[in-house]
Amino acid sequence: ETGVTQTPRHLVMGMTNKKSLKCEQHLGHNAMYWYKQSAKKPLELMFVYSLEERVENNSVPSRFSPECPNSSHLFLHLHTLQPEDSALYLCASSLQGAGTEAFFGQGTRLTVV
Amino acid sequence: AQKITQTQPGMFVQEKEAVTLDCTYDTSDPSYGLFWYKQPSSGEMIFLIYQGSYDQQNATEGRYSLNFQKARKSANLVISASQLGDSAMYFCAMREINTGGFKTIFGAGTRLFVKA
Repeated sequence: ETGVTQTPRHLVMGMTNKKSLKCEQHLGHNAMYWYKQSAKKPLELMFVYSLEERVENNSVPSRFSPECPNSSHLFLHLHTLQPEDSALYLCASSLQGAGTEAFFGQGTRLTVV
Repeated sequence: AQKITQTQPGMFVQEKEAVTLDCTYDTSDPSYGLFWYKQPSSGEMIFLIYQGSYDQQNATEGRYSLNFQKARKSANLVISASQLGDSAMYFCAMREINTGGFKTIFGAGTRLFVKA
């Protein structure tokens, strides 16, 4: 248990569906992240939020829409996804600074059919 | 630009032996942090060990140690006395100060197989 909780753990959705992934941390961290992990690809940083403000968007398609309503919660809203979006989506949080490790949630295994 | 390279897609080690997982990095920022994470089949990323770019000594955490060679830009993870539970994916990662300390990039990972 790292203190970062992601729900749901598994999600199967059709290409026309709208769903949301949720991430929650109560570690007092001020930065939260979404990563995508596909088979045979390095972990890809998607979005970074610091103090509820998005500070990085790594050329992620608009069908992925993040939301950070407060420093403890992070959402990833999904709509009209493609099969190639099937992956493990990992949420992480940390304190700002190079010397602090990020704590990860257990991930959401997303399958788009 | 940041870059992390892990050249070993898979490694095999006998139980109770030591194993070294390679990691090289590239950065123009003199201030950075290096991390190793373990990812078991459950998917969760587990932090193992941290090395700061200005740290004089190699980091150690229990059976994990980081062989930090700054001039070579390498940060190899050494696992001593391997256990069956060490079988997992291992990722090397780096975060720079210049990017505000937010962006952690990861290598492609090394899958470790521990044999009984």
